[in-house]
Amino acid sequence: SAVISQKPSRDICQRGTSLTIQCQVDSQVTMMFWYRQQPGQSLTLIATANQGSEATYESGFVIDKFPISRPNLTFSTLTVSNMSPEDSSIYLCSGITGTGELFFGEGSRLTVL
Amino acid sequence: AQKITQTQPGMFVQEKEAVTLDCTYDTSDQSYGLFWYKQPSSGEMIFLIYQGSYDEQNATEGRYSLNFQKARKSANLVISASQLGDSAMYFCAMREGQWLTGGGNKLTFGTGTQLKVEL
Repeated sequence: SAVISQKPSRDICQRGTSLTIQCQVDSQVTMMFWYRQQPGQSLTLIATANQGSEATYESGFVIDKFPISRPNLTFSTLTVSNMSPEDSSIYLCSGITGTGELFFGEGSRLTVL
Repeated sequence: AQKITQTQPGMFVQEKEAVTLDCTYDTSDQSYGLFWYKQPSSGEMIFLIYQGSYDEQNATEGRYSLNFQKARKSANLVISASQLGDSAMYFCAMREGQWLTGGGNKLTFGTGTQLKVEL
């Protein structure tokens, strides 16, 4: 199985600040994605992280709020900007392997006060 | 219509017993994939098992097996010999279309089933 490392694992942030989450994957991963899981909810795809170009965002998510970078094949960051309590969620990085299996990082549990 | 339906918000099972978690899906694509993930209280998503729409045999991974009934559009997860460590939230998910080229990279998740294993 692919190895995906994500940090921070959790953080408590103040309203109005921004937080960047990092994701490191091993070489088996061909594509990278970012998901959000709000409390008690299922997972929702935020965007596909494209190497060297702008991420592809899903409906309801915008670059200004969730800027994403992927400077190389194995690393990506998601920033949650100008946070509000509604942004309190688990944010998960994921990667798809050459055989089509999707693995997740450990998740970043974010609480905004 | 919901693409992935998990009708059991919560399930209880005795240790060492088998348990089936239900999942039905809705798609008009011929090529798709079905996934099951386990999410403990720590929040990580652990990949359990995968079934491709063209796979003729049911997928198995250790104590996990996927009961794939294509005509009924169901992909139930069977956990044999339940252990206390199996207590977690379980999510069924679907990827539609050919992956990489046909947009089949996104997963749609069900609402999950909370499983509790009792002594």
